[in-house]
Amino acid sequence: AQSVAQPEDQVNVAEGNPLTVKCTYSVSGNPYLFWYVQYPNRGLQFLLKYITGDNLVKGSYGFEAEFNKSQTSFHLKKPSALVSDSALYFCAVRAPNTGFQKLVFGTGTRLLVSP
Amino acid sequence: EPEVTQTPSHQVTQMGQEVILRCVPISNHLYFYWYRQILGQKVEFLVSFYNNEISEKSEIFDDQFSVERPDGSNFTLKIRSTKLEDSAMYFCASSPESRTGELFFGEGSRLTVL
Repeated sequence: AQSVAQPEDQVNVAEGNPLTVKCTYSVSGNPYLFWYVQYPNRGLQFLLKYITGDNLVKGSYGFEAEFNKSQTSFHLKKPSALVSDSALYFCAVRAPNTGFQKLVFGTGTRLLVSP
Repeated sequence: EPEVTQTPSHQVTQMGQEVILRCVPISNHLYFYWYRQILGQKVEFLVSFYNNEISEKSEIFDDQFSVERPDGSNFTLKIRSTKLEDSAMYFCASSPESRTGELFFGEGSRLTVL
């Protein structure tokens, strides 16, 4: 079964510092990986995705993520955090063994950026 | 910018009642989904829909749940006889294609079952 893990329930970082939100996956074959953000009482917003090609992908709001096949990871990063980045972040995967049909989400990581 | 819209934003119902949640996907999208989120936690897949039929469903999506696209624009989720544990935020999503495309989510419908 395909799965994605977010080992940290919460990440705390000071504004201006770099941030990393971790994600690892466990699927057969080469997955398609996504990051979404959810602000309070809102829907999920797409940030970025890795399908193929360059392992470093850039997305919305200055976020980027690096696909690492050997470590089966897809960590979300930003060089300089903003207070407004505080939100719930979800990693998600589509796997080839399911025909890439459904998007399976991790448990989410709450990012708290302090002023 | 096109967006997925969902109604109602919040519905309160009694246990055992039927509920219909409505969604208008982005107009040129072909793939539709329902997810749910309980207490702001994990986002769980319920069902995917393409070409007027279910393409995949989860174990959560039992006989009490159904989906349809009655008029080519709306995409509905029906819960026939609600249970307390159906209380959740239900998100509709659509995508232009099924493999590499990202999902576009609506703002959600909060269902409270009393």
